Amino acid sequence: GDSVTQMEGPVTLSEEAFLTINCTYTATGYPSLFWYVQYPGEGLQLLLKATKADDKGSNKGFEATYRKETTSFHLEKGSVQVSDSAVYFCALSPLSGANNLFFGTGTRLTVIP
Amino acid sequence: DSGVTQTPKHLITATGQRVTLRCSPRSGDLSVYWYQQSLDQGLQFLIQYYNGEERAKGNILERFSAQQFPDLHSELNLSSLELGDSALYFCASSVDGYQPQHFGDGTRLSIL
Repeated sequence: GDSVTQMEGPVTLSEEAFLTINCTYTATGYPSLFWYVQYPGEGLQLLLKATKADDKGSNKGFEATYRKETTSFHLEKGSVQVSDSAVYFCALSPLSGANNLFFGTGTRLTVIP
Repeated sequence: DSGVTQTPKHLITATGQRVTLRCSPRSGDLSVYWYQQSLDQGLQFLIQYYNGEERAKGNILERFSAQQFPDLHSELNLSSLELGDSALYFCASSVDGYQPQHFGDGTRLSIL
């Protein structure tokens, strides 16, 4: 079945460090892929998305590229800020059928000044 | 602000009780989804409605039910509550059931 495997956390980085959070998926066909972010005490916010192979989603300095050959959608940011501290979820939505999301386990990122 | 409104924000009740969680989708969104976020199970899809009709079911227990009303708001009913039902319950909505989902801030349910 459809599933997402996400890098375990927590991840602690110094401000301005480079961030990578790994995400791989298993799905039939070509799903849409998403990164959501959850700040403390809040709901999930869509960070970026990609709907087909080789698409690059980007937002707020974050990027992720849909790699069909490696079934991956790794999240990257060149220089993290304290305000990026949050839990990041990788998710997929199957191409056919319902559009429900399958989430990874989430990765907690803490950025220290 | 995602535009998705969930009430109440917090709910504390006892085992065996029944509760109703409410969700108002973003203006113009026809599809509503319910998710459960717990420490042991992570984020799991429960059920989806589109324009009043059930479209998909995920890992929803038989003790749980939901509906979407003509004004498109949705309610999730949880009955015969158990300690393990303690979780954050999120509602999300999308325009047509295929566009990205926008999440509410969740209802935190605590079973004592």
